[in-house]
Amino acid sequence: QKEVEQNSGPLSVPEGAIASLNCTYSDRGSQSFFWYRQYSGKSPELIMFIYSNGDKEDGRFTAQLNKASQYVSLLIRDSQPSDSATYLCAGGGANQAGTALIFGKGTTLSVSS
Amino acid sequence: GAVVSQHPSWVICKSGTSVKIECRSLDFQATTMFWYRQFPKQSLMLMATSNEGSKATYEQGVEKDKFLINHASLTLSTLTVTSAHPEDSSFYICSASPRTSYGYTFGSGTRLTVV
Repeated sequence: QKEVEQNSGPLSVPEGAIASLNCTYSDRGSQSFFWYRQYSGKSPELIMFIYSNGDKEDGRFTAQLNKASQYVSLLIRDSQPSDSATYLCAGGGANQAGTALIFGKGTTLSVSS
Repeated sequence: GAVVSQHPSWVICKSGTSVKIECRSLDFQATTMFWYRQFPKQSLMLMATSNEGSKATYEQGVEKDKFLINHASLTLSTLTVTSAHPEDSSFYICSASPRTSYGYTFGSGTRLTVV
């Protein structure tokens, strides 16, 4: 059974702080990892994806992947109230066009002003 | 690029009727599309993988006769909820990827309420 585990939270941080979201996965065959943000009642929107071990930065977001530990994380710097949402971690195969994503249950982030 | 359009955004139907949800890839061809269902405060659960020109692959526990999937072209997949019941009320979302290394794009979702 392929699984992606996330702490459901809620994770509460003050505005301007760093929010750290974590995720583990069970399938060593997973090749790609994705972080999505989902606002209540809306469809998920892609924040970042990562394939290689190490860090990948995009603006205020940094994704980290450690395949040996089967661990993925997302850091959000300078957190804003608009970042308050549910963050979904997902793992996928090498052939994204033909392989579905497996999602974690999501971590709810609350950024207070 | 890589836009997926989903319609309708919301639908209310009577118990026992059928509802069709459309998912279109607007600027790319999608041999495969994925259908997810999300209940309140829960994560996205994969229902089925839709393959152009062939039968869909359903996940364990998903009734293929109840959730009919048709992927008749490279840009359109439809999900029909047949004989809908209140327990089918959920948020249905489709997804596709134009190619490897791009990521997955999601439709805007369809909120189905069966009364």
